[in-house]
Amino acid sequence: EDQVTQSPEALRLQEGESSSLNCSYTVSGLRGLFWYRQDPGKGPEFLFTLYSAGEEKEKERLKATLTKKESFLHITAPKPEDSATYLCAVRKRSQGNLIFGKGTKLSVKP
Amino acid sequence: DTGVSQNPRHKITKRGQNVTFRCDPISEHNRLYWYRQTLGQGPEFLTYFQNEAQLEKSRLLSDRFSAERPKGSFSTLEIQRTEQGDSAMYLCASSSGGPMYEQYFGPGTRLTVT
Repeated sequence: EDQVTQSPEALRLQEGESSSLNCSYTVSGLRGLFWYRQDPGKGPEFLFTLYSAGEEKEKERLKATLTKKESFLHITAPKPEDSATYLCAVRKRSQGNLIFGKGTKLSVKP
Repeated sequence: DTGVSQNPRHKITKRGQNVTFRCDPISEHNRLYWYRQTLGQGPEFLTYFQNEAQLEKSRLLSDRFSAERPKGSFSTLEIQRTEQGDSAMYLCASSSGGPMYEQYFGPGTRLTVT
């Protein structure tokens, strides 16, 4: 069965304390892996797409990497405004929809 | 702003009533998706259109749910005979048909069934 698992469920960091979020997946025929940010009461905001193992993408303090079984979202020197839920999703070659994990809720304290 | 828009943003209804939500995608996007999200969970896929054709439907989509996309532009999602378990955030997303495939989400419609 296709599955996306994110860990940890929640992460509390001090401002400036770097860390990583994990997304592991078991999917046959991966087309792409996606990272989104979601603020409370809002729709997910697109961050990155990764298509093949070894690929990396960066945006400000965020860097996403992909292996054959998992993806990491590295957050360098986070700020309080980075607090949000980060969602990982995969898309199969044979389907148009995304399969989401439950997300990691990140809190960054000043 | 030319992002995905959804209306209404909030809907409170009584059990057994019918409700309809609207989604306006990004204008140049030919693909439109509906998802449902409950508290503490990631979005779950409901259905997907390419232009006006409904291409995929999840097993989550019971007979009480119906979606349309007339003329390949905006889409509506109707829930008949609502149940308390239908309370959720209903999200719409759109994408182009090109190789990038990123789905861009709207702000969602929060449904509360009392």
